[in-house]
Amino acid sequence: AQSVAQPEDQVNVAEGNPLTVKCTYSVSGNPYLFWYVQYPNRGLQFLLKYITGDNLVKGSYGFEAEFNKSQTSFHLKKPSALVSDSALYFCAVRDPWFSGGYNKLIFGAGTRLAVHP
Amino acid sequence: EAGVTQFPSHSVIEKGQTVTLRCDPISGHDNLYWYRRVMGKEIKFLLHFVKESKQDESGMPNNRFLAERTGGTYSTLKVQPAELEDSGVYFCASSQVGTTLQETQYFGPGTRLLVL
Repeated sequence: AQSVAQPEDQVNVAEGNPLTVKCTYSVSGNPYLFWYVQYPNRGLQFLLKYITGDNLVKGSYGFEAEFNKSQTSFHLKKPSALVSDSALYFCAVRDPWFSGGYNKLIFGAGTRLAVHP
Repeated sequence: EAGVTQFPSHSVIEKGQTVTLRCDPISGHDNLYWYRRVMGKEIKFLLHFVKESKQDESGMPNNRFLAERTGGTYSTLKVQPAELEDSGVYFCASSQVGTTLQETQYFGPGTRLLVL
């Protein structure tokens, strides 16, 4: 079964420190992986995606994510956190070879990032 | 370029009533998706339109939910009659039709539905 796990409900980081938001996935084939962010009272905003190629993907607002096929992970990272990064982060996967609906995104439950001054 | 818009932003109704949610996709996007997030859990897929045709409605929970996309532009999602467990945030997303499935889905702000 296709699934995405975000093992941490909340991540707390001090401003200026590096941050990591974890994501692992389970799909039958090679996945397409996405990160979205939801700021308070806003919709989901696309951050970055991995399709193929370089395992390190760079996205908006200084975020990056590393695809690790052997660990089936796609952790989101940022070298230096800002208070304004505080938001809800969602990892998602699309399995393009899934015959039961290959366009849909499968989401994790979300991780709340709190960056403290 | 305007993003995906959804109306209303919030809706509070009583159990048994009907609610209709509307989504206007990004202009030129033939793919339109509905998702919902219930009680702080994961965001779950409901259905997918390509233009006016339902491509995949495997996520629709039951026949109280009806989605339409007449003319292949905006879409409506009607819940009739609403139940308590329908409360949540309903998101709409759109993307361009492509052949590689690499396209990004862009999401609207969501409609927060509360059924009392």
